[in-house]
Amino acid sequence: DAGVTQSPTHLIKTRGQQVTLRCSPKSGHDTVSWYQQALGQGPQFIFQYYEEEERQRGNFPDRFSGHQFPNYSSELNVNALLLGDSALYLCASSGRQGRSELFFGEGSRLTVL
Amino acid sequence: AQTVTQSQPEMSVQEAETVTLSCTYDTSESDYYLFWYKQPPSRQMILVIRQEAYKQQNATENRFSVNFQKAAKSFSLKISDSQLGDAAMYFCAYRREVETSGSRLTFGEGTQLTVNP
Repeated sequence: DAGVTQSPTHLIKTRGQQVTLRCSPKSGHDTVSWYQQALGQGPQFIFQYYEEEERQRGNFPDRFSGHQFPNYSSELNVNALLLGDSALYLCASSGRQGRSELFFGEGSRLTVL
Repeated sequence: AQTVTQSQPEMSVQEAETVTLSCTYDTSESDYYLFWYKQPPSRQMILVIRQEAYKQQNATENRFSVNFQKAAKSFSLKISDSQLGDAAMYFCAYRREVETSGSRLTFGEGTQLTVNP
């Protein structure tokens, strides 16, 4: 049983560019949430998707957007990249509309130059 | 807003000994969940142990146990018989009562644990 898978594992972008990160949830899970983890800090909640809609959102600007597909996979999009967007982006999935235990992927490391 | 504080950026322990990691949190709610996650260099967050606030009994998972002091808003993790594989970054996390919070966790800053052979 595959766990949460994320792609790409590493990527480098320049300021002003746009990036898309992808996440496939653990089998049987219907809810995906995204976290940003800056170097040396704890993860910060970005948003959560369930039934293809954003259900909750943390304190992140509109440059951060997402999508969930009918197969429950998800994308995180960040527009107009800033140097401060450099971080590890973690995807977590859960079942029962987010009420069950979270399982995390290994993250996508984004570097903005 | 809820906050989680880990006051120990780094800790070290000798193999086979016991270490305690500290965590305090701030909330005005009575129903919530607390977690300890481990993040090894592979970057994947792994759940170590969880505690429901309504339970007075401290959670235990093999060598891992917690000391949950609800009135003091304290939630420490004790690792007994430390092993080299325990070396990792440890995060304390808070989650509101599940019906309203979904999958939203609030994390502390983390404690880097080193295990010396």
